[in-house]
Amino acid sequence: DIQMTQSPSSLSASVGDRVTITCRASQTVNSYLNWYQQKPGKAPKVLIYAASNLQSGVPSRFSGSGSGTDFTLTISNLQPEDFATYFCQQSHSTPYTFGQGTKLEIK
Amino acid sequence: EVQLVESGGGLVQPGGSLRLSCEGSGFIFNNFWMHWVRQAPGKGPVWVSRISSDGRSITYADSVKGRFTVSRDNAKNTLYLQMDSLRAEDTAVYYCVRDKYFYDSSGFRLLSDAFDVWGQGTLVTVSS
Repeated sequence: DIQMTQSPSSLSASVGDRVTITCRASQTVNSYLNWYQQKPGKAPKVLIYAASNLQSGVPSRFSGSGSGTDFTLTISNLQPEDFATYFCQQSHSTPYTFGQGTKLEIK
Repeated sequence: EVQLVESGGGLVQPGGSLRLSCEGSGFIFNNFWMHWVRQAPGKGPVWVSRISSDGRSITYADSVKGRFTVSRDNAKNTLYLQMDSLRAEDTAVYYCVRDKYFYDSSGFRLLSDAFDVWGQGTLVTVSS
């Protein structure tokens, strides 16, 4: 199975800040890497697919980069609604696996 | 509106069974592969199973293989998960998820697939 490791596990930031979350795969996933946002009591929502492509309807302050084993999610100009938990997920091969999550909190 | 609605969760004793259902609407159900993903309280999502658009290809996580059975009825736009021999560690919110394939601008090169539509989730609690 491909293990996905995110860092940091939690992060404090202020409105207007720029933050970066990293995700590392235990073996190459090429660009089969997706990012999700989850708010308490809600289902995850896809933000980025194929490492760097913005899902329709997602604000452009979200961006992704990377390929192979190392990936990043960057959120520029943090907004109050961005405080949530973020997960990376590989769709290169089954079992599809998720990172353990990064909780983004208000400083 | 594109929607997935799960039902069938509840409290069950260890060793018991439950059948989850997920009805899709607002899209052509039989065009999409579908998955079940679960999430234990305070934990990250965990992939459980997938089924091809025509139901012929099925894959399970090792943790549920031999105990869970996924199926679909495209005439009813419904996905199912039969869960047998349930264990305490199966306690989680179970999500029905649509798998979308994303292609480049030519329409021929697959970029990735991602879970683009999620149900609201149904809670399964395994406890005596």
